[in-house]
Amino acid sequence: AQKITQTQPGMFVQEKEAVTLDCTYDTSDQSYGLFWYKQPSSGEMIFLIYQGSYDEQNATEGRYSLNFQKARKSANLVISASQLGDSAMYFCAMRPHTGRRALTFGSGTRLQVQP
Amino acid sequence: ETGVTQTPRHLVMGMTNKKSLKCEQHLGHNAMYWYKQSAKKPLELMFVYSLEERVENNSVPSRFSPECPNSSHLFLHLHTLQPEDSALYLCASSQAPLTGYGTDTQYFGPGTRLTVL
Repeated sequence: AQKITQTQPGMFVQEKEAVTLDCTYDTSDQSYGLFWYKQPSSGEMIFLIYQGSYDEQNATEGRYSLNFQKARKSANLVISASQLGDSAMYFCAMRPHTGRRALTFGSGTRLQVQP
Repeated sequence: ETGVTQTPRHLVMGMTNKKSLKCEQHLGHNAMYWYKQSAKKPLELMFVYSLEERVENNSVPSRFSPECPNSSHLFLHLHTLQPEDSALYLCASSQAPLTGYGTDTQYFGPGTRLTVL
């Protein structure tokens, strides 16, 4: 079984500052993928970034980077230079690379960017 | 249209009604998914279709009936729902690797917000 834990229900950050959203996971799979999604108030889940369990380098996509620490089973999302449009719910998710296709999601973190 | 679209965006129905949710993906993907997002609960998978065949079913009540007529369209037929079925229903699609191994990133639609009275 897989489990995702996001311990921060809500976070505040000042515009232009960096923020880290925490994600820890538990799995017995040897090969898996970790994903972060953003969900604005409109409801759509927007894919942000992916990290494979065997990737040696941390993933980066523009202002998003994933701080992957495999031994600690953590996959924190770092958003640099926060913008007002970054205010949203953020979900960490994972799935094994083989077998079951469903994503397992965490409970999410609500980020509010303040001017 | 681009990406994944869902209609309707909002739906209010009584417990005795029959309605359908529609999802269409314009990404050329071969797998489609239905997820349910209830208040204060993590997203949970309902169904997975790969190449139009249902490959996963997460113990969903029979009042929810999926249909995948082709790789671009996915429906969720609803009948005799309960108020606790009120939720955001999200459709997603992905390009599942034929070998079964790979990234398989899922891209989501905007969702249908369902209210059951």
